[in-house]
Amino acid sequence: GIQVEQSPPDLILQEGANSTLRCNFSDSVNNLQWFHQNPWGQLINLFYIPSGTKQNGRLSATTVATERYSLLYISSSQTTDSGVYFCAVYPFGNEKLTFGTGTRLTIIP
Amino acid sequence: DTAVSQTPKYLVTQMGNDKSIKCEQNLGHDTMYWYKQDSKKFLKIMFSYNNKELIINETVPNRFSPKSPDKAHLNLHINSLELGDSAVYFCASSHRTSGYNEQFFGPGTRLTVL
Repeated sequence: GIQVEQSPPDLILQEGANSTLRCNFSDSVNNLQWFHQNPWGQLINLFYIPSGTKQNGRLSATTVATERYSLLYISSSQTTDSGVYFCAVYPFGNEKLTFGTGTRLTIIP
Repeated sequence: DTAVSQTPKYLVTQMGNDKSIKCEQNLGHDTMYWYKQDSKKFLKIMFSYNNKELIINETVPNRFSPKSPDKAHLNLHINSLELGDSAVYFCASSHRTSGYNEQFFGPGTRLTVL
């Protein structure tokens, strides 16, 4: 099956810093989503981005499907950005949303 | 509020018991899912129902039985609970047949088997 790897696995930053999280996938995909799992365990939708670039406030995401990766940018980090960030993909011809390994982000005041 | 809701939020039970988790969505979606998140935070799909029809059934023990009374509800019944069933279970929904298949997740149910 498809492999979805995220990097880095852990990231610790000072408040105000910028960060880039990466998601690599081993096969072609139909769609891709980014989620934030906050410290209370809730999975929050960030982006639905099969290709191209989208922006939402301090967050933006870019997916280059032909090269099998997606990037999530967080600018001017806040402590509320802490948590685990997951990317998840729909492989071509497969209805199962497959999650990546996650990046745990910790923002220090 | 429009959302995916689950009950209960926490479930603590003894090994060997039978328990159910309920899920409801009021987003008008046609497809609902159950996922399991293990202690290492890895999320994996278990089941998916589209308009009350089972479309995904992963290699899950048959002690787990999903039931969809209508397309807004998907419940998960677990028989003979084992220690290894302890995890967080998430329900999700999407509008699969539209082709825009963004999934939205419920708050999760933390199951602890003692």
